[in-house]
Amino acid sequence: QSVLTQPPSVSGAPGQRVTISCTGSSSNIGAAYDVHWYQQLPGTAPKVVVYNNNNRPSGVPDRFSGSNSGTSASLAITGLQAEDEADYYCQSYDSSLKGYVFGTGTRVTVL
Amino acid sequence: QVQLVESGGGLVKPGGSLRLSCAASDFSFSDYYMSWIRQAPGKGLEWVAYISSSGGGSTIFYADSVKGRFTISRDNAKSSLYLQMHSLRAEDTAVYYCARGYGNLPFEYWGQGTLVTVSS
Repeated sequence: QSVLTQPPSVSGAPGQRVTISCTGSSSNIGAAYDVHWYQQLPGTAPKVVVYNNNNRPSGVPDRFSGSNSGTSASLAITGLQAEDEADYYCQSYDSSLKGYVFGTGTRVTVL
Repeated sequence: QVQLVESGGGLVKPGGSLRLSCAASDFSFSDYYMSWIRQAPGKGLEWVAYISSSGGGSTIFYADSVKGRFTISRDNAKSSLYLQMHSLRAEDTAVYYCARGYGNLPFEYWGQGTLVTVSS
């Protein structure tokens, strides 16, 4: 069972801004362990879109941004494009479980 | 270009065993911690296990869901990662990915995954 909670789905029209929340606890995000965000297209392995809370790998558009506050994190996608339609997962480390944890996943739909 | 290629998946009966392999190339395998991560059909991602960079005396951790049944290991001379799975259950059915990453770093590189199906 996932210890990081995300909304099952979010949607927006092309060009709009959407945000995905990732709610954790005092043993993961709240303990200042970094949060990473992955994009997964159907039938493919996940790909990092934001790492260490608010950094983008080279090649990832600056439309993707991350932020943290307390025991939660968020991924924002501005200027939504059709190619952004995918599943997104947050990930961190949990000191109580002594292992990595993923969010429940959010499907982004471009209307 | 970093490559991770998993193999060994297949159909196995409940209670059976299977060994997955992950062949790494184009990076210094012995310098990196490695993990196995799985994804049940239509479900989310679940971290399974990680192993530190050294072979002997490695730091190893498992998710509670597989502790005592799965064993992660590596052969740095062969640039290979392994996952020995015993006492398999229907809920272990998933695509299994090997991935490179450790600590506060993300899982930057993933393989294409290998499907394990546990069914009678």
